[in-house]
Amino acid sequence: EPEVTQTPSHQVTQMGQEVILRCVPISNHLYFYWYRQILGQKVEFLVSFYNNEISEKSEIFDDQFSVERPDGSNFTLKIRSTKLEDSAMYFCASSPPGGYGNYGYTFGSGTRLTVV
Amino acid sequence: DAKTTQPTSMDCAEGRAANLPCNHSTISGNEYVYWYRQIHSQGPQYIIHGLKNNETNEMASLIITEDRKSSTLILPHATLRDTAVYYCIVKGETSGSRLTFGEGTQLTVNP
Repeated sequence: EPEVTQTPSHQVTQMGQEVILRCVPISNHLYFYWYRQILGQKVEFLVSFYNNEISEKSEIFDDQFSVERPDGSNFTLKIRSTKLEDSAMYFCASSPPGGYGNYGYTFGSGTRLTVV
Repeated sequence: DAKTTQPTSMDCAEGRAANLPCNHSTISGNEYVYWYRQIHSQGPQYIIHGLKNNETNEMASLIITEDRKSSTLILPHATLRDTAVYYCIVKGETSGSRLTFGEGTQLTVNP
């Protein structure tokens, strides 16, 4: 069964450093997403991406965050200057084209980001 | 998207059916009911979704009331590996729109 792959599985970084979280979505999917989950809290939407541009973003997704699809397979989330409160699990997801809610979203297994 | 209400936790014996309820009384006509689950900090996993008819797949069945104000996810023969947080999410049909996760129901399957 096709999977969404995320790397690394765990990243530790110093406060103020830049991090890039990487994702390989399912190959025929056209919509890509990032979500995060702070330990013990709900899964929160960050951003969705379609046709090489952001289609929707949450209030969490401020100027320190950016997303990119640098080639035909990778989808990245960059955090420019990490803060302690950015420590969380970050999940990438993708979904196929088509409306009418025909398909669920496929999530990756996540990257645990720890900011120290 | 409409708000959903789920019990905080439920228990089920292994091998028995697990019935997880969800209330979504403010659901509108073009909104679907989705169910996802999350096994101990793994990524959420899609289970099933429906609009108004009952649905069944290899994982579960979804029963939606006629007025669409509530639904029940049924795991017909729960196993220990079904222990997870189950999320009921109401979402419009637009492709690419966000999923809004609530607190979900912690289902514990006991041996």
